[in-house]
Amino acid sequence: GDSVTQMEGPVTLSEEAFLTINCTYTATGYPSLFWYVQYPGEGLQLLLKATKADDKGSNKGFEATYRKETTSFHLEKGSVQVSDSAVYFCASFNTGFQKLVFGTGTRLLVSP
Amino acid sequence: NAGVTQTPKFQVLKTGQSMTLQCAQDMNHEYMSWYRQDPGMGLRLIHYSVGAGITDQGEVPNGYNVSRSTTEDFPLRLLSAAPSQTSVYFCASSRGTSGGARQETQYFGPGTRLLVL
Repeated sequence: GDSVTQMEGPVTLSEEAFLTINCTYTATGYPSLFWYVQYPGEGLQLLLKATKADDKGSNKGFEATYRKETTSFHLEKGSVQVSDSAVYFCASFNTGFQKLVFGTGTRLLVSP
Repeated sequence: NAGVTQTPKFQVLKTGQSMTLQCAQDMNHEYMSWYRQDPGMGLRLIHYSVGAGITDQGEVPNGYNVSRSTTEDFPLRLLSAAPSQTSVYFCASSRGTSGGARQETQYFGPGTRLLVL
């Protein structure tokens, strides 16, 4: 079945450091891919998405490119802030089963 | 727009008790779903609905029932609570299911934290 694998955390960075959180997926067909973010005590909210190969999603300085050849959707940000501290979830949408398949989440901790 | 709302925010149950977790959305979304979030396991789909009167099982449906009598509401029922159902429950909705569903953003509620003793 479909699955999403993302790097285990926590990822600990200093402010202004470069961020990469790896995400790979397995799926039949070509799923849409998403990054969701969960701030402490809150629900998930969409960070960015890409719906076809080579699409780049971007938002709030975060970027991710849909790479079909490597089945990857890695999240990057050039300069993280303390306010970026959160849990980040990679997900793919399985059209056949009408559901989002989530990775296990990666906690990001940014220190001043 | 209130978006997706969930009640209660927190609940403690004893083993064997029943309860209903409420979920409502005011965005006229066709698709609604329930997930549970457990440490180290991400979010897992419990049940989902592609429209009023239509529901289906997700990955972990056992011990839970749902119904969808209106577009707005999608309650989740625990028939006989067990400690294994201790979790954080999230309801989500999205705009469509026909053709364009794969592109649609899902909007999540704030969650219900459930503790079963």
